[in-house]
Amino acid sequence: DQQVKQNSPSLSVQEGRISILNCDYTNSMFDYFLWYKKYPAEGPTFLISISSIKDKNEDGRFTVFLNKSAKHLSLHIVPSQPGDSAVYFCAASAQSAAGNKLTFGGGTRVLVKP
Amino acid sequence: DAGITQSPRHKVTETGTPVTLRCHQTENHRYMYWYRQDPGHGLRLIHYSYGVKDTDKGEVSDGYSVSRSKTEDFLLTLESATSSQTSVYFCAIREGDSPLHFGNGTRLTVT
Repeated sequence: DQQVKQNSPSLSVQEGRISILNCDYTNSMFDYFLWYKKYPAEGPTFLISISSIKDKNEDGRFTVFLNKSAKHLSLHIVPSQPGDSAVYFCAASAQSAAGNKLTFGGGTRVLVKP
Repeated sequence: DAGITQSPRHKVTETGTPVTLRCHQTENHRYMYWYRQDPGHGLRLIHYSYGVKDTDKGEVSDGYSVSRSKTEDFLLTLESATSSQTSVYFCAIREGDSPLHFGNGTRLTVT
């Protein structure tokens, strides 16, 4: 059973508007969450992260929100740009676990229309 | 990608043949990981290493083995490839609390 889920496989948004990507998790041991961005034929690249002691982390146009009680996190991209068109993966880890392994969601493909 | 190289980038092989994928890093990072990416499943961990000759299984390790004889190299072997192992394979490295840093992947097709 998937411990990290991204229920929207795709998202289309107009340039300049907000993109909101959602992610749900089931494992209450997860205490560190990350978002990765992936372009075709390339490896995923780290975008932004948040620790479970916080409920928000912001980096430029990207903000991640964490709701621990709902086991839900979201990524906001404002304003969206055509270069943001990519697949976005949510990932989670339990930092106390051996190897600090990441568990990934299935990904959300974002298309930003000019 | 700077610091991490996967080879080959593409491979087509037949069912039942052995296949070895290589991950080479120049960062001297302690941790190395092999993931596979499949539609709808995101990235799933196959095996990882926490040092030379120290490896452990991930969630989808059946049919795969790994070896790490040097810090810089982490090999993934499919002893007898099956069509279900057709996938894109990503190697990743990590040191300390830094996020995983991924290579550009190997696309493997088993016919």
